[in-house]
Amino acid sequence: GQSLEQPSEVTAVEGAIVQINCTYQTSGFYGLSWYQQHDGGAPTFLSYNGLDGLEETGRFSSFLSRSDSYGYLLLQELQMKDSASYFCAVPGRSQGNLIFGKGTKLSVKP
Amino acid sequence: KAGVTQTPRYLIKTRGQQVTLSCSPISGHRSVSWYQQTPGQGLQFLFEYFSETQRNKGNFPGRFSGRQFSNSRSEMNVSTLELGDSALYLCASSLSGGSSYEQYFGPGTRLTVT
Repeated sequence: GQSLEQPSEVTAVEGAIVQINCTYQTSGFYGLSWYQQHDGGAPTFLSYNGLDGLEETGRFSSFLSRSDSYGYLLLQELQMKDSASYFCAVPGRSQGNLIFGKGTKLSVKP
Repeated sequence: KAGVTQTPRYLIKTRGQQVTLSCSPISGHRSVSWYQQTPGQGLQFLFEYFSETQRNKGNFPGRFSGRQFSNSRSEMNVSTLELGDSALYLCASSLSGGSSYEQYFGPGTRLTVT
């Protein structure tokens, strides 16, 4: 089967840096995506890593190590609006199918 | 460009009834995927449509079905509703489905079954 593990909750203060880890077990691997979902909102795409290494998009970065079946999302200069749930996801073997982790709820405190 | 829209946003139904949810993808997107989101199970894939054909289906009972129209709009139907069907139903569109790592989600339909 395919599964993704990520911490259920993380708390950090405004201005800090936080790292959300994701480990995966998949049969076949097509890359790791990250999505953000605010309470009551829709998941929105943040980043994708198809190859090993770091991808940077503004305050957010995502890292992948395929040999370790591991990735992380790094959020810098945290803002209150970053309080949300963050999901790692992998494309399934079938088309149009994303397999999601259970999500990490990030709470940013003043 | 308008985003993915879903109607209705909220729905309350009684056990045994059936329900139809609608999704309009981003213009030009031909793939529509449906997901069920619950606190316990998280986001789970229901099925995916491309050019009016169901290409893939997740591990859900046959009470869950869907279809896609020639304009790429999609509907999903749940028959004989059960209490456990209470969830947020999300649709997501992408250009072609493919490796589908980047999908655009609608705001969802919150279904409550009583």
